Amino acid sequence: AQTVTQSQPEMSVQEAETVTLSCTYDTSENNYYLFWYKQPPSRQMILVIRQEAYKQQNATENRFSVNFQKAAKSFSLKISDSQLGDTAMYFCASALTQGGSEKLVFGKGTKLTVNP
Amino acid sequence: DTGVSQNPRHKITKRGQNVTFRCDPISEHNRLYWYRQTLGQGPEFLTYFQNEAQLEKSRLLSDRFSAERPKGSFSTLEIQRTEQGDSAMYLCASSPPETSGGPSPDTQYFGPGTRLTVL
Repeated sequence: AQTVTQSQPEMSVQEAETVTLSCTYDTSENNYYLFWYKQPPSRQMILVIRQEAYKQQNATENRFSVNFQKAAKSFSLKISDSQLGDTAMYFCASALTQGGSEKLVFGKGTKLTVNP
Repeated sequence: DTGVSQNPRHKITKRGQNVTFRCDPISEHNRLYWYRQTLGQGPEFLTYFQNEAQLEKSRLLSDRFSAERPKGSFSTLEIQRTEQGDSAMYLCASSPPETSGGPSPDTQYFGPGTRLTVL
């Protein structure tokens, strides 16, 4: 079974600074994807960034980048130049790529507050 | 592309009543997922459809829950004899088929959710 753990229930950062959200996961599979989703207050969940496990290069999307450590089963999210609009719940998730539904397994989330 | 839509957005019901939620996925997305999210938790998988076939159900989906996707387009999730423990946000997500040539099939697009409160 897959599990995803986010050990930081809440974090805060000053606008324009950098923050890193932690995530660890456990799976016995070799082929899987990892994701960070953002859920702003009272708004729907949107994909921030995704990483294929077979790729060694860390994914980046503008101000968002990940540090994927496969051996350590760690997948942290770095947000650079934080903006007020980054305030949201951030969920780390994993999905297997074979044998069925590709259902997402989520962590409990980290509530990020960006302060002006 | 109008995104995934869910109706109603909010539902308040009394214990023991039946409720039904609807999800309209992004057009041409053949995969559809239902998740449940309780306060302070991440979403938990409930069930998955590929076209009209329900291919996987979580153990969370008790006999009081039933989901359908009769024509492979919209889906409904029904909860019979609701209990207070059913109070949660019910999220729907869709993803495109593998042959679409567009976004990766593993990217799921979420709707705004239906918030259920059982009194």
